[in-house]
Amino acid sequence: NAGVTQTPKFRVLKTGQSMTLLCAQDMNHEYMYWYRQDPGMGLRLIHYSVGEGTTAKGEVPDGYNVSRLKKQNFLLGLESAAPSQTSVYFCASSFLNEQFFGPGTRLTVL
Amino acid sequence: AQKITQTQPGMFVQEKEAVTLDCTYDTSDPSYGLFWYKQPSSGEMIFLIYQGSYDQQNATEGRYSLNFQKARKSANLVISASQLGDSAMYFCAMRDENYGQNFVFGPGTRLSVLP
Repeated sequence: NAGVTQTPKFRVLKTGQSMTLLCAQDMNHEYMYWYRQDPGMGLRLIHYSVGEGTTAKGEVPDGYNVSRLKKQNFLLGLESAAPSQTSVYFCASSFLNEQFFGPGTRLTVL
Repeated sequence: AQKITQTQPGMFVQEKEAVTLDCTYDTSDPSYGLFWYKQPSSGEMIFLIYQGSYDQQNATEGRYSLNFQKARKSANLVISASQLGDSAMYFCAMRDENYGQNFVFGPGTRLSVLP
C-alpha cells in the first residue's frame, strides 16, 4: 500500500516548456487534489476532482490543466511553463475528512 | 470569499508543556469543515484533526484538540505535553462543504519545541 505517490520528485524546466505531473493513489479514494506551496505560504488549491472523469477549478487554476481519466490517477499539466510556476506541488486524495498527501514535486522554471 | 488567518508566524514551547496555535476563519457559509495539518522540515503534509461546523463537541485526537468557538470564528489547535518531534509548521485550513472540495489554507505557524 503505497498511499499517494507523485512523479517526478524534482524537475527543472525552461520558460515555455510543457510537462505533466502524475499523481497516483491506491486507496480507492474518490477525491483528489493538486496544490502548490510557495516559500513562506500555505498550500493553494489549483484543481480538484470529486471522481473519475470530473475536475473543478480551485483558487489558482490559471496556467494549469488537469485530467482524471482513471480513478487512481490525477494528472497536472503545464502547457507553457512560466517562472511564476516555480513551486512545490502536492497531490492529495481524501476519504471522508482526512486528506492523504504525496511527498511533493519540486519544480523550477528558469 | 473564505479566508484563514494565523497570526503567529512562530511560537516556542518548552518540552512537556501545552501550546495553543491560533486560527481564525471567515466564511458566510453555514456548513464548513476546519482542519489542522503538520508539515515537518522533511516537507510532507500530515493531517492532524478535523472539526465540522455543526459538531457540538470539540474534536480531539490523542494529544491534539481543537478549541472551536463558532461565534468568534476561531479554531485553535491545542497540543498537550509537547514533544521535540512536534517542531514543525502547522497549517489551519477550511473546506466549504456546500461547494465541493474547495480547501483554503492559512499561512502557517512555525512551532519550535525547546528541550
